[in-house]
Amino acid sequence: DTEVTQTPKHLVMGMTNKKSLKCEQHMGHRAMYWYKQKAKKPPELMFVYSYEKLSINESVPSRFSPECPNSSLLNLHLHALQPEDSALYLCASSQDRRGLRLYNEQFFGPGTRLTVL
Amino acid sequence: SQQGEEDPQALSIQEGENATMNCSYKTSINNLQWYRQNSGRGLVHLILIRSNEREKHSGRLRVTLDTSKKSSSLLITASRAADTASYFCASGRSNFGNEKLTFGTGTRLTIIP
Repeated sequence: DTEVTQTPKHLVMGMTNKKSLKCEQHMGHRAMYWYKQKAKKPPELMFVYSYEKLSINESVPSRFSPECPNSSLLNLHLHALQPEDSALYLCASSQDRRGLRLYNEQFFGPGTRLTVL
Repeated sequence: SQQGEEDPQALSIQEGENATMNCSYKTSINNLQWYRQNSGRGLVHLILIRSNEREKHSGRLRVTLDTSKKSSSLLITASRAADTASYFCASGRSNFGNEKLTFGTGTRLTIIP
């Protein structure tokens, strides 16, 4: 299985709602990522998890809260979002070869298109 | 912004022609990767070139890397309609064993049948 799945595909939420995005992979990858992509722009890294621990937070506002319950799952909890947070949210995973200096491709899911009203 | 730049921003060519996209990046890197994205979907990895490599081939793809100029190019030969997509370069820097990718601005490629 070389697939990263994301649910839901589309999400519309109000600014007072709480929702969660989910990502799953069964490739045995130990690094997982959240990216945000605005229309006609490149993906921007938000968070990196390595071995289920948060290793990179790119100064993302606290209204975005990541969680990695186990090595296959990655969640992004959303609360009190703003309309400007509307975007495509992409999850990715890769092998983590810590210390071995092996560089790896990232496998991306299809994304969740989020609209904040 | 640490984003790299890509040019051209958009490229339209006839099917069968070759397409060349260029990428510049700003910081030192461990590797340079190229990804393809079909409209509004996830990215697909195409090819990775390490910082100590100068050229790499994969099928119809040819990538070059010039670390002295902080630039890379992607050549797609004998283009097909299915190659229509956005193409992003991504500069990779190791961060405690993780790959931190910084994506370029992208090139929208349209292949005219």
